[in-house]
Amino acid sequence: GAGVSQSPSNKVTEKGKDVELRCDPISGHTALYWYRQSLGQGLEFLIYFQGNSAPDKSGLPSDRFSAERTGGSVSTLTIQRTQQEDSAVYLCASSSSQGAPLGYTFGSGTRLTVV
Amino acid sequence: SQQGEEDPQALSIQEGENATMNCSYKTSINNLQWYRQNSGRGLVHLILIRSNEREKHSGRLRVTLDTSKKSSSLLITASRAADTASYFCATLSGNTGKLIFGQGTTLQVKP
Repeated sequence: GAGVSQSPSNKVTEKGKDVELRCDPISGHTALYWYRQSLGQGLEFLIYFQGNSAPDKSGLPSDRFSAERTGGSVSTLTIQRTQQEDSAVYLCASSSSQGAPLGYTFGSGTRLTVV
Repeated sequence: SQQGEEDPQALSIQEGENATMNCSYKTSINNLQWYRQNSGRGLVHLILIRSNEREKHSGRLRVTLDTSKKSSSLLITASRAADTASYFCATLSGNTGKLIFGQGTTLQVKP
C-alpha cells in the first residue's frame, strides 16, 4: 500500500481481555517496528522485525506481550490479559532496510484504552 | 531506555519567529533523525543527518550535529501556525536497526 496501515484505530477493552493490533507495512519494506507511546510521553521501543524474524524483542514489557510477522508483511501485536497500564497509543513503522537509512514511515497508531 | 533528551520540553513563539530545539544523546550513533507528530498520532520523518555530517538543510529546516558533544539542534525558520506540533529526535546506533526516541519538544506557534 501507499502507507503504513494500522487497525483498529481505536480499541476499548475490559481489563483482563486479550487484544490484537494489526500493522500492514509499506509493500516491500523488510523492516517493521512496534513502539508504544503513553500520554504526553516519548516513544518506547517494543520489538523489531527483519523479514519474519525478530532480532530484537528487548522492549516487550512482559510475557503478556507478543508479536509475529508472516510472509514478511503484516504484523500483529497481541496483548494478553490486558491491564490498565497497557493503555497507550501503539505505533507501527516500517523501513526499506535494516538501519532505516532513509527514516521510518509510521502508521497512524492504535489508541488502546483498558477500562 | 531513552537515548535522547530534548530541550526545551515546550516552546511557544509567534508566527514568523525562529524555533530552536535541542537534543542530547548518550552513545555513539550512525545517524540522528528528527520527526514531527501532530495530535499524538503517527510521526512524520523530517530530516536525517549522518554521524559524519555537521549540518543539513531541508526547506525551512536546519539541523546541526556535534558528535563531540553528543548533541543536535533543529532550527525551524520563519515559523508558521501549521508548524505547531511535537518534535522528536531519534538516534540509530550499531546494527540494531531500531531508532531510540527522545521525549520530544512541544512547539506552539501563535498566529
